[in-house]
Amino acid sequence: KNEVEQSPQNLTAQEGEFITINCSYSVGISALHWLQQHPGGGIVSLFMLSSGKKKHGRLIATINIQEKHSSLHITASHPRDSAVYICAVIIQGAQKLVFGQGTRLTINP
Amino acid sequence: DAGVTQSPTHLIKTRGQHVTLRCSPISGHKSVSWYQQVLGQGPQFIFQYYEKEERGRGNFPDRFSARQFPNYSSELNVNALLLGDSALYLCASSFMVGTEAFFGQGTRLTVV
Repeated sequence: KNEVEQSPQNLTAQEGEFITINCSYSVGISALHWLQQHPGGGIVSLFMLSSGKKKHGRLIATINIQEKHSSLHITASHPRDSAVYICAVIIQGAQKLVFGQGTRLTINP
Repeated sequence: DAGVTQSPTHLIKTRGQHVTLRCSPISGHKSVSWYQQVLGQGPQFIFQYYEKEERGRGNFPDRFSARQFPNYSSELNVNALLLGDSALYLCASSFMVGTEAFFGQGTRLTVV
């Protein structure tokens, strides 16, 4: 079993829909990243959080340390949001990033 | 300010050859990490360097090695290339170990 599990693996939605991507982890962490990867490979860091909630534009990330769960929400989704979204955790002590498998999001106009 | 830069962006090598990939971190960042991303999978941790010392190593064979220079740039070397080494190699820099990581565009290595 992977230390970091994301769901769903693939998600297709219509423009304007509210999107939720989930991440669960089984290890102690010091922080969690949400990352965005477009075709071609480059990865952009969206959020790094260790507690509570962060918001940037139409993106919201939450984390529940006790439940070892995080969610990424996208409001008013747009076709340009189409990408792979990756959850990655910084493992306590090891200080390395462990990645989930990613969620491929497609927003249709 | 420039972000994390990696070179080259694309590379084609033959089995058995060696390759050197380069990464320049964001100015002021002292930690560099390397990751391998095989098509369709999430990235896997290879190495982490901080202040020119290796601070972590993933489950990769000894054919993989890396170093960090006094200016905090880094090289990843892979010897005796195998077809299975074909992947996107990502470099991430952070101010120090455990702080927010910023990624480069990656080097796409194809071994034929």
